Amino acid sequence: GESVGLHLPTLSVQEGDNSIINCAYSNSASDYFIWYKQESGKGPQFIIDIRSNMDKRQGQRVTVLLNKTVKHLSLQIAATQPGDSAVYFCAENINDYKLSFGAGTTVTVRA
Amino acid sequence: SQTIHQWPATLVQPVGSPLSLECTVEGTSNPNLYWYRQAAGRGLQLLFYSVGIGQISSEVPQNLSASRPQDRQFILSSKKLLLSDSGFYLCAWSVNTGYGYTFGSGTRLTVV
Repeated sequence: GESVGLHLPTLSVQEGDNSIINCAYSNSASDYFIWYKQESGKGPQFIIDIRSNMDKRQGQRVTVLLNKTVKHLSLQIAATQPGDSAVYFCAENINDYKLSFGAGTTVTVRA
Repeated sequence: SQTIHQWPATLVQPVGSPLSLECTVEGTSNPNLYWYRQAAGRGLQLLFYSVGIGQISSEVPQNLSASRPQDRQFILSSKKLLLSDSGFYLCAWSVNTGYGYTFGSGTRLTVV
């Protein structure tokens, strides 16, 4: 079964506001985490990743935060745009050949 | 650069018919290959993965099978489709453990 889960299944955000998507993981041995974005009818696309020796990593308009103490991962999207509407998945690599995916959060951007 | 190809994009098949979905990767050698299924509005379920030619690991018992006849080719098959096999099938590849996957564009399978 999947060991990564999300706190909220849906998120509605006003265009221009910041979005925060949360994810809880259960395996304390996980050492690599990824956020994916999946638009309707398409395959998931890599957004950003972070290793367990870091607690923050920034990309273009996105930031991933990792709190290993409480086994929590979050994705922050700055100045959310209509094109950010999608399903977002967190995933953890538990140091073998597999990623374990969460159920996904659907983000809807309101104009 | 590496690319992953998955086809067909959509498929409608009758119950009891066979299935063959193909995935190929270009621009890399000895990739790890994966087949996932996604039910409507749901998460990603790992079906099979392969770390080398002829090496297939199955994650869940089901009506499907996978094969890897060549280094960069991964095939998902069924001898007789069930209605419950409907879904969005995704192929993915990775280089090593500790790195993310790159997904294909997916195949929407509807069994009628």
